[in-house]
Order: sequence, then structure tokens, then C-alpha cells
Amino acid sequence: SQQGEEDPQALSIQEGENATMNCSYKTSINNLQWYRQNSGRGLVHLILIRSNEREKHSGRLRVTLDTSKKSSSLLITASRAADTASYFCATDAGGTSYGKLTFGQGTILTVHP
Amino acid sequence: GAGVSQSPSNKVTEKGKDVELRCDPISGHTALYWYRQRLGQGLEFLIYFQGNSAPDKSGLPSDRFSAERTGESVSTLTIQRTQQEDSAVYLCASSLRRRRGGLDEQFFGPGTRLTVL
Repeated sequence: SQQGEEDPQALSIQEGENATMNCSYKTSINNLQWYRQNSGRGLVHLILIRSNEREKHSGRLRVTLDTSKKSSSLLITASRAADTASYFCATDAGGTSYGKLTFGQGTILTVHP
Repeated sequence: GAGVSQSPSNKVTEKGKDVELRCDPISGHTALYWYRQRLGQGLEFLIYFQGNSAPDKSGLPSDRFSAERTGESVSTLTIQRTQQEDSAVYLCASSLRRRRGGLDEQFFGPGTRLTVL
């Protein structure tokens, strides 16, 4: 079963709107990361949040983490057409599995100009 | 500096043939990871190398899959007797180091799209 599961599976919005994507996971984690993928190829790291953090910001990105609910959300504010991509959350369980990321199936975001 | 590179970018092969996929990590990155991504899916972990430690092969789906890494440089992923279900994008990533308590971003290559006919 997938450790990280994103919802919605697809999201379509207009430029300027905010986009929120959610991720749920099943086991305890050391950290959770969000990645963006364009055109089904290489991934770009967006942001990492540690298990003892609750919120993190990077530019137009805001990530929250609720370890009691085993969930995270990624908010992209004032979206642009260039934000169109697939977004994945990935969990790192730490310990002997440190560095080995478990990815969800992703959210496909389409931003219409 | 240069990012992670992978070759070939696309590979079409016939069922039963062996294929070799190559990954050149970022210079100085001691950790190297291979992932597989089937169409419309997330990434599946395959194998991970860290320095001179024994690789973590826990994600390899069958004994037809193997990987090697020369020191802290190039890695090759070999798939023997390919099957149609092996068709996917194979992604390589590297990170600076892997250490307990450390948080190291993984930098991904563009991937190799493998199609098994």
C-alpha cells in the first residue's frame, strides 16, 4: 500500500487562485517532502518539513504537517500557469530507512491562464 | 555545476533482452538512489548506495534487477530478460550525504523511459 497518498488526484484552477493538496501517510516519519514533476520526467524538490515542525514556508509555498493525523498539506498561493505539474509527497521514515523515500501517487495540478 | 544525468533518455527493447541504464550523480554526492515510476503512478524505491556501505536492495522487484556503483560515481541499473511490466521511467537521484539526523535533499535526473515491446 502507498505510504503517502495525495488528494485530490487532479486539481484544475485559474491563475491567481490558491491550490491546496493533501497527503496522508500510515507509519511514523522522520520528515516529509514535497516534489514537483513536469512532463513525467525529473522531479524537483520543493520543501522538506521535519516531524517536529508544524508549518513551513518557501516563497509561495506553505506546508503544514499534523503528525497526530498523519497528514500534510501543500498550499500554493497566487498560482501561475507555470505551476502546472504533478506534485508528490514523499515520506522518510528515518532510522535504518533514513533517506529512502516513499512516494504517493501524486496530484496533477492544472493552472489555466 | 552539472546536475544528475541519465542515459539513455529513451530505450525501446524487445521482451527477453537485457538493458543497462546509467546514472551520473552530482560530483561529491555520496548517496545515490534508483526509483521506478510507472505511468500515472508515484515513484517506487528500488535501490540505494551510500559511500562504501553495502547497498540497500530492498526495493528491487526481482532477481532480474541489479545495480552497481563505482565508488561514489557512476551507477548502472541492469534489467535482465526484460518483461513488458518493466516498462516505466527509471529515475536516479543523488544527495550529498546520508547521516542520522541529517536532512539531505535528493536531486533527481531526467530519467530513462524504458519501453519493452
